[in-house]
Amino acid sequence: AQRVTQPEKLLSVFKGAPVELKCNYSYSGSPELFWYVQYSRQRLQLLLRHISRESIKGFTADLNKGETSFHLKKPFAQEEDSAMYYCALRSNNAGNMLTFGGGTRLMVKP
Amino acid sequence: NAGVTQTPKFRVLKTGQSMTLLCAQDMNHEYMYWYRQDPGMGLRLIHYSVGEGTTAKGEVPDGYNVSRLKKQNFLLGLESAAPSQTSVYFCASSLNKAHQRGYTFGSGTRLTVV
Repeated sequence: AQRVTQPEKLLSVFKGAPVELKCNYSYSGSPELFWYVQYSRQRLQLLLRHISRESIKGFTADLNKGETSFHLKKPFAQEEDSAMYYCALRSNNAGNMLTFGGGTRLMVKP
Repeated sequence: NAGVTQTPKFRVLKTGQSMTLLCAQDMNHEYMYWYRQDPGMGLRLIHYSVGEGTTAKGEVPDGYNVSRLKKQNFLLGLESAAPSQTSVYFCASSLNKAHQRGYTFGSGTRLTVV
């Protein structure tokens, strides 16, 4: 069975500090991983996908198959980054649904 | 272009009452999903649909039923609400299997069962 683990429920940093939100997964096939973000009172939205190898709003994430991790990083946090972040794994079954981690709340203090 | 619209946004039910949550999308997406969001547990899949007229169970289907009579609508029903079903419910849709643009989420329905 596939599983996504985000070990930190809350991460608090000061503005300008580096940020790393951890995500570990277990999956028997070739994983496809995503990060979603939910800002206060807004709906969840896609932040980035590992296969795109893109940087969105200064965030990057690298898939490490050896460590089964997909950590989200940003070198300098901004107050507007404060939000709930979810790591998700796409299955390759009929429904191709996403399995989400428990989420990490990022608080960036001024 | 409204995207994914959920109604209602808030609801309080008494134990044993029934209700239907409506999800509507105007993007001609094939795949639709219902998740519930609970603190510390992330989003858990209740039911999903891969096309009009199809539905399938997700991770936590007990106590819920769904229907997808029209491609643009995905209904989630609670026949006899229980306090354990207090949660925030999110509907999502996806164009195709590859999720090239990821899911598009609705704004959620906050349900309280007393």
